Amino acid sequence: ETGVTQTPRHLVMGMTNKKSLKCEQHLGHNAMYWYKQSAKKPLELMFVYNFKEQTENNSVPSRFSPECPNSSHLFLHLHTLQPEDSALYLCASSQVGTVSSGNTIYFGEGSWLTVV
Amino acid sequence: AQTVTQSQPEMSVQEAETVTLSCTYDTSESDYYLFWYKQPPSRQMILVIRQEAYKQQNATENRFSVNFQKAAKSFSLKISDSQLGDAAMYFCAYRSYSGGGADGLTFGKGTHLIIQP
Repeated sequence: ETGVTQTPRHLVMGMTNKKSLKCEQHLGHNAMYWYKQSAKKPLELMFVYNFKEQTENNSVPSRFSPECPNSSHLFLHLHTLQPEDSALYLCASSQVGTVSSGNTIYFGEGSWLTVV
Repeated sequence: AQTVTQSQPEMSVQEAETVTLSCTYDTSESDYYLFWYKQPPSRQMILVIRQEAYKQQNATENRFSVNFQKAAKSFSLKISDSQLGDAAMYFCAYRSYSGGGADGLTFGKGTHLIIQP
Protein backbone atom coordinates (compact mmCIF):
# COMPACT_ATOMS: atom_id res chain seq x y z
CA GLU A 1 0.00 0.00 0.00
CA THR A 2 1.70 3.15 -1.20
CA GLY A 3 -1.04 5.67 -0.60
CA VAL A 4 -1.62 6.13 -4.33
CA THR A 5 -4.28 3.87 -5.81
CA GLN A 6 -4.90 3.38 -9.51
CA THR A 7 -7.87 1.73 -11.21
CA PRO A 8 -8.25 -0.26 -13.30
CA ARG A 9 -4.98 -2.15 -13.09
CA HIS A 10 -5.49 -3.57 -16.56
CA LEU A 11 -7.51 -2.16 -19.47
CA VAL A 12 -7.97 -3.41 -23.01
CA MET A 13 -9.73 -1.02 -25.35
CA GLY A 14 -10.44 -0.65 -29.02
CA MET A 15 -9.28 2.34 -30.99
CA THR A 16 -12.78 3.81 -31.11
CA ASN A 17 -13.56 3.35 -27.41
CA LYS A 18 -13.69 5.97 -24.67
CA LYS A 19 -12.34 4.93 -21.30
CA SER A 20 -10.83 6.54 -18.24
CA LEU A 21 -8.04 5.78 -15.80
CA LYS A 22 -8.54 6.82 -12.21
CA CYS A 23 -6.02 7.74 -9.55
CA GLU A 24 -6.61 8.55 -5.89
CA GLN A 25 -4.00 9.56 -3.35
CA HIS A 26 -4.45 9.21 0.41
CA LEU A 27 -1.31 11.09 1.40
CA GLY A 28 -2.70 14.58 1.73
CA HIS A 29 -0.55 15.77 -1.17
CA ASN A 30 -1.37 18.78 -3.33
CA ALA A 31 0.28 17.83 -6.62
CA MET A 32 -0.47 14.91 -8.93
CA TYR A 33 1.15 13.56 -12.07
CA TRP A 34 0.61 11.20 -14.98
CA TYR A 35 3.60 9.32 -16.42
CA LYS A 36 3.76 6.95 -19.37
CA GLN A 37 6.12 3.99 -19.36
CA SER A 38 6.63 2.28 -22.71
CA ALA A 39 8.98 -0.56 -23.53
CA LYS A 40 12.52 0.58 -24.28
CA LYS A 41 11.80 4.24 -23.49
CA PRO A 42 12.40 6.28 -20.35
CA LEU A 43 9.42 7.20 -18.27
CA GLU A 44 7.72 10.20 -19.82
CA LEU A 45 6.01 12.91 -17.80
CA MET A 46 2.62 13.65 -19.37
CA PHE A 47 0.74 16.02 -17.08
CA VAL A 48 1.27 17.86 -13.80
CA TYR A 49 -1.45 19.28 -11.57
CA ASN A 50 -0.53 21.62 -8.73
CA PHE A 51 -3.40 22.54 -6.41
CA LYS A 52 -5.84 21.23 -9.06
CA GLU A 53 -4.41 23.51 -11.74
CA GLN A 54 -2.64 21.98 -14.69
CA THR A 55 0.88 23.34 -14.72
CA GLU A 56 2.49 21.14 -17.32
CA ASN A 57 1.46 19.34 -20.47
CA ASN A 58 4.40 17.74 -22.19
CA SER A 59 3.08 17.93 -25.76
CA VAL A 60 0.68 15.11 -25.11
CA PRO A 61 -1.78 14.33 -27.95
CA SER A 62 -5.32 15.54 -27.38
CA ARG A 63 -6.62 11.99 -27.36
CA PHE A 64 -5.37 12.00 -23.75
CA SER A 65 -7.42 14.34 -21.59
CA PRO A 66 -6.62 14.78 -17.90
CA GLU A 67 -9.04 15.89 -15.22
CA CYS A 68 -8.25 16.84 -11.63
CA PRO A 69 -11.48 17.61 -9.72
CA ASN A 70 -9.67 17.95 -6.37
CA SER A 71 -6.24 17.44 -4.86
CA SER A 72 -6.92 13.77 -4.13
CA HIS A 73 -8.24 12.57 -7.48
CA LEU A 74 -6.82 12.52 -10.97
CA PHE A 75 -8.30 11.04 -14.12
CA LEU A 76 -6.93 10.34 -17.56
CA HIS A 77 -9.67 10.22 -20.17
CA LEU A 78 -8.81 8.17 -23.23
CA HIS A 79 -10.42 8.56 -26.66
CA THR A 80 -9.55 7.18 -30.10
CA LEU A 81 -6.20 5.86 -29.00
CA GLN A 82 -3.63 4.20 -31.22
CA PRO A 83 -1.89 0.85 -30.70
CA GLU A 84 1.35 2.71 -29.93
CA ASP A 85 -0.38 4.21 -26.89
CA SER A 86 -0.28 0.79 -25.25
CA ALA A 87 1.85 1.23 -22.15
CA LEU A 88 1.93 1.34 -18.37
CA TYR A 89 0.42 4.58 -17.10
CA LEU A 90 1.68 5.62 -13.70
CA CYS A 91 0.02 8.13 -11.43
CA ALA A 92 2.04 9.90 -8.75
CA SER A 93 1.66 12.56 -6.10
CA SER A 94 3.80 14.83 -4.00
CA GLN A 95 3.55 17.59 -1.42
CA VAL A 96 4.90 20.85 -2.76
CA GLY A 97 5.63 24.04 -0.94
CA THR A 98 7.29 22.55 2.14
CA VAL A 99 10.99 21.94 2.63
CA SER A 100 10.33 18.93 4.84
CA SER A 101 8.62 17.10 2.00
CA GLY A 102 11.97 16.61 0.31
CA ASN A 103 10.19 16.96 -2.99
CA THR A 104 9.65 13.22 -3.12
CA ILE A 105 7.17 11.87 -5.62
CA TYR A 106 5.22 8.75 -4.68
CA PHE A 107 3.84 6.42 -7.32
CA GLY A 108 0.84 4.17 -7.72
CA GLU A 109 1.09 0.64 -9.06
CA GLY A 110 0.16 1.67 -12.58
CA SER A 111 -2.56 0.87 -15.08
CA TRP A 112 -1.63 -1.42 -17.95
CA LEU A 113 -3.30 -0.19 -21.12
CA THR A 114 -3.56 -2.27 -24.28
CA VAL A 115 -5.06 -0.69 -27.38
CA VAL A 116 -6.28 -3.17 -29.98
CA ALA B 1 16.45 20.72 -20.26
CA GLN B 2 17.90 18.18 -17.92
CA THR B 3 19.00 14.71 -19.00
CA VAL B 4 19.76 11.61 -16.98
CA THR B 5 21.99 8.83 -18.30
CA GLN B 6 22.30 5.31 -16.98
CA SER B 7 24.99 3.61 -19.01
CA GLN B 8 24.48 0.07 -17.66
CA PRO B 9 21.37 -1.56 -19.15
CA GLU B 10 21.95 -4.66 -17.01
CA MET B 11 24.08 -5.61 -14.02
CA SER B 12 24.51 -8.95 -12.27
CA VAL B 13 25.79 -9.59 -8.75
CA GLN B 14 26.13 -12.56 -6.44
CA GLU B 15 23.90 -12.63 -3.40
CA ALA B 16 25.58 -10.96 -0.38
CA GLU B 17 28.02 -9.08 -2.63
CA THR B 18 28.15 -5.35 -3.29
CA VAL B 19 27.13 -3.71 -6.55
CA THR B 20 27.29 -0.13 -7.80
CA LEU B 21 24.88 1.33 -10.36
CA SER B 22 26.00 4.38 -12.30
CA CYS B 23 24.10 7.54 -13.13
CA THR B 24 25.18 10.83 -14.66
CA TYR B 25 23.06 13.85 -15.35
CA ASP B 26 23.27 17.14 -17.12
CA THR B 27 21.85 20.37 -15.75
CA SER B 28 22.61 24.05 -15.53
CA GLU B 29 20.80 24.39 -12.22
CA SER B 30 22.58 24.59 -8.88
CA ASP B 31 19.73 23.39 -6.69
CA TYR B 32 17.98 20.12 -7.40
CA TYR B 33 17.12 16.69 -6.07
CA LEU B 34 18.31 13.28 -7.17
CA PHE B 35 16.55 9.99 -6.56
CA TRP B 36 16.95 6.29 -7.07
CA TYR B 37 13.74 4.37 -7.60
CA LYS B 38 13.34 0.60 -7.73
CA GLN B 39 10.75 -1.08 -9.96
CA PRO B 40 10.29 -4.81 -9.27
CA PRO B 41 8.29 -7.08 -11.58
CA SER B 42 5.09 -5.82 -9.96
CA ARG B 43 5.93 -2.47 -11.66
CA GLN B 44 5.42 -0.55 -8.43
CA MET B 45 7.88 2.37 -8.45
CA ILE B 46 9.46 2.43 -5.01
CA LEU B 47 11.70 5.18 -3.67
CA VAL B 48 15.08 3.81 -2.60
CA ILE B 49 17.02 6.91 -1.67
CA ARG B 50 17.03 10.68 -2.09
CA GLN B 51 19.81 13.27 -2.23
CA GLU B 52 19.52 17.04 -2.01
CA ALA B 53 22.15 18.73 -4.16
CA TYR B 54 22.93 21.35 -1.51
CA LYS B 55 23.98 18.63 0.93
CA GLN B 56 27.59 17.50 0.66
CA GLN B 57 27.02 14.41 2.77
CA ASN B 58 26.08 11.31 0.80
CA ALA B 59 22.67 9.87 1.63
CA THR B 60 22.38 6.38 3.12
CA GLU B 61 19.40 4.12 3.77
CA ASN B 62 20.39 0.86 5.44
CA ARG B 63 22.17 -1.20 2.74
CA PHE B 64 21.77 1.52 0.11
CA SER B 65 24.11 4.47 -0.21
CA VAL B 66 24.98 6.98 -2.88
CA ASN B 67 28.17 8.58 -4.11
CA PHE B 68 27.14 12.08 -5.10
CA GLN B 69 29.75 14.03 -7.04
CA LYS B 70 28.17 17.39 -7.85
CA ALA B 71 31.00 18.79 -9.92
CA ALA B 72 31.15 15.63 -12.01
CA LYS B 73 27.33 15.42 -12.12
CA SER B 74 27.51 11.83 -11.01
CA PHE B 75 25.11 10.00 -8.68
CA SER B 76 25.87 6.30 -8.23
CA LEU B 77 23.98 3.84 -6.04
CA LYS B 78 25.79 1.24 -3.98
CA ILE B 79 23.89 -1.78 -2.71
CA SER B 80 25.69 -3.71 0.00
CA ASP B 81 24.95 -7.30 1.02
CA SER B 82 22.74 -7.82 -2.04
CA GLN B 83 19.58 -9.80 -1.45
CA LEU B 84 17.31 -11.68 -3.83
CA GLY B 85 14.60 -9.12 -3.16
CA ASP B 86 16.83 -6.41 -4.60
CA ALA B 87 16.33 -7.79 -8.11
CA ALA B 88 14.52 -5.09 -10.08
CA MET B 89 14.88 -2.24 -12.54
CA TYR B 90 16.60 0.72 -10.92
CA PHE B 91 15.92 4.21 -12.19
CA CYS B 92 17.92 7.31 -11.49
CA ALA B 93 15.83 10.48 -11.51
CA TYR B 94 16.35 14.24 -11.35
CA ARG B 95 14.00 16.89 -10.05
CA SER B 96 14.47 20.64 -10.15
CA TYR B 97 14.27 22.61 -6.95
CA SER B 98 11.53 24.91 -8.01
CA GLY B 99 10.98 26.74 -4.75
CA GLY B 100 7.81 24.90 -3.93
CA GLY B 101 6.60 24.16 -7.41
CA ALA B 102 5.47 20.83 -8.76
CA ASP B 103 8.09 19.93 -11.31
CA GLY B 104 8.07 16.34 -12.44
CA LEU B 105 10.94 13.88 -12.48
CA THR B 106 13.33 13.27 -15.37
CA PHE B 107 14.27 9.61 -15.48
CA GLY B 108 17.14 7.63 -16.91
CA LYS B 109 16.45 4.52 -18.97
CA GLY B 110 17.06 2.21 -16.05
CA THR B 111 19.43 -0.58 -15.05
CA HIS B 112 18.16 -4.12 -14.73
CA LEU B 113 19.76 -5.66 -11.63
CA ILE B 114 20.00 -9.43 -11.46
CA ILE B 115 20.88 -11.16 -8.18
CA GLN B 116 22.58 -14.54 -8.57
CA PRO B 117 21.82 -16.93 -5.69
